[in-house]
Amino acid sequence: KAGVTQTPRYLIKTRGQQVTLSCSPISGHRSVSWYQQTPGQGLQFLFEYFSETQRNKGNFPGRFSGRQFSNSRSEMNVSTLELGDSALYLCASSLSLAGADTQYFGPGTRLTVL
Amino acid sequence: DQQVKQNSPSLSVQEGRISILNCDYTNSMFDYFLWYKKYPAEGPTFLISISSIKDKNEDGRFTVFLNKSAKHLSLHIVPSQPGDSAVYFCAASGAGSGNTPLVFGKGTRLSVIA
Repeated sequence: KAGVTQTPRYLIKTRGQQVTLSCSPISGHRSVSWYQQTPGQGLQFLFEYFSETQRNKGNFPGRFSGRQFSNSRSEMNVSTLELGDSALYLCASSLSLAGADTQYFGPGTRLTVL
Repeated sequence: DQQVKQNSPSLSVQEGRISILNCDYTNSMFDYFLWYKKYPAEGPTFLISISSIKDKNEDGRFTVFLNKSAKHLSLHIVPSQPGDSAVYFCAASGAGSGNTPLVFGKGTRLSVIA
């Protein structure tokens, strides 16, 4: 079975631009969660989607948004990029809700904002 | 307010010896705990989990111990190997509801010295 895939792997943007990241979960998994990892901050939860519905949202500004499609693929969007948005963005999928099941992570998208 | 704490940012251990990574949590509603391992430029990889009905779970060289009264869990790796060198994240959730996302600690960087 193929693992979680994320595209692109690397991205460079400038302040004020917007960006869209994509995540394809493991086949059959219905939950997709997004995390931001910055040095020394661990993994900070952004949001979780399950069956195309946002189930949970972390403490991030409204510039961060996401969606999930009927095939469980998910995208996250960051508008009006700031320097502090530079981070590794990780996507994870699970069969059922993330808090009740093991999550499997993709390799991440490294976003650099200049 | 950090609900999951890994107080040791780094740990060095000789090859063949035991590695003990510690994790404390504050939320008494957490009842499902996981450990993930992360290599540079890769997403976290699931290692081992434990539910609150157990106090120990073993998988090969990896054992997780849970002390609910102390709100403390630890990961033991015996014997430690150079390939175990990575960042280890502890995570917790209230799996009973399945409606709360995983909360991660900030990670402990393990270096196994040959």
